[in-house]
Amino acid sequence: DGGITQSPKYLFRKEGQNVTLSCEQNLNHDAMYWYRQDPGQGLRLIYYSQIVNDFQKGDIAEGYSVSREKKESFPLTVTSAQKNPTAFYLCASSIQGWGYTFGSGTRLTVV
Amino acid sequence: GENVEQHPSTLSVQEGDSAVIKCTYSDSASNYFPWYKQELGKRPQLIIDIRSNVGEKKDQRIAVTLNKTAKHFSLHITETQPEDSAVYFCAASRDNFNKFYFGSGTKLNVKP
Repeated sequence: DGGITQSPKYLFRKEGQNVTLSCEQNLNHDAMYWYRQDPGQGLRLIYYSQIVNDFQKGDIAEGYSVSREKKESFPLTVTSAQKNPTAFYLCASSIQGWGYTFGSGTRLTVV
Repeated sequence: GENVEQHPSTLSVQEGDSAVIKCTYSDSASNYFPWYKQELGKRPQLIIDIRSNVGEKKDQRIAVTLNKTAKHFSLHITETQPEDSAVYFCAASRDNFNKFYFGSGTKLNVKP
């Protein structure tokens, strides 16, 4: 599925609950990214990582956390501090100087 | 940081007509400009890109132009087909940073 896999495809979160979205790539890309997509707002960067064990906040990092313990994996945790988490979440990876390869996305809904 | 603006937000054309989507950017150091197509419920897919050392690039019915002085770039689709209907995003980055800034998207509707 394009070398980058996101799971689950759909996720439901209860109020006050933390949830973790998975992103795995086998493209040997150094850099990985998490974006949030809301209707009419395009793609907003949450976190990104250019190397293992290092990551930086994007434009809307509040209420989210990430880790990068392995080159292949960049999981995103949506914490209870994120007050409006309902959105479509896209993970991407790249090698320096080239365009992103996106995962198929996770649709998160608060119930 | 970089700010990318994209227009129009929606575009409706008749099959066979051309479509043009325009983006402007603010950071003069940006040097890589990809375009993505996202069909409903699917992942964005890279359709064409251009670097700052080139003014125009074509790939069959799709072309991208870049004006570095004015800091704008455009996507041109000729002989549009219903399967071109999707949301298109432009983006800009400094490729040594590799962090992309995206436009807000253009929803293209090609009417048969």
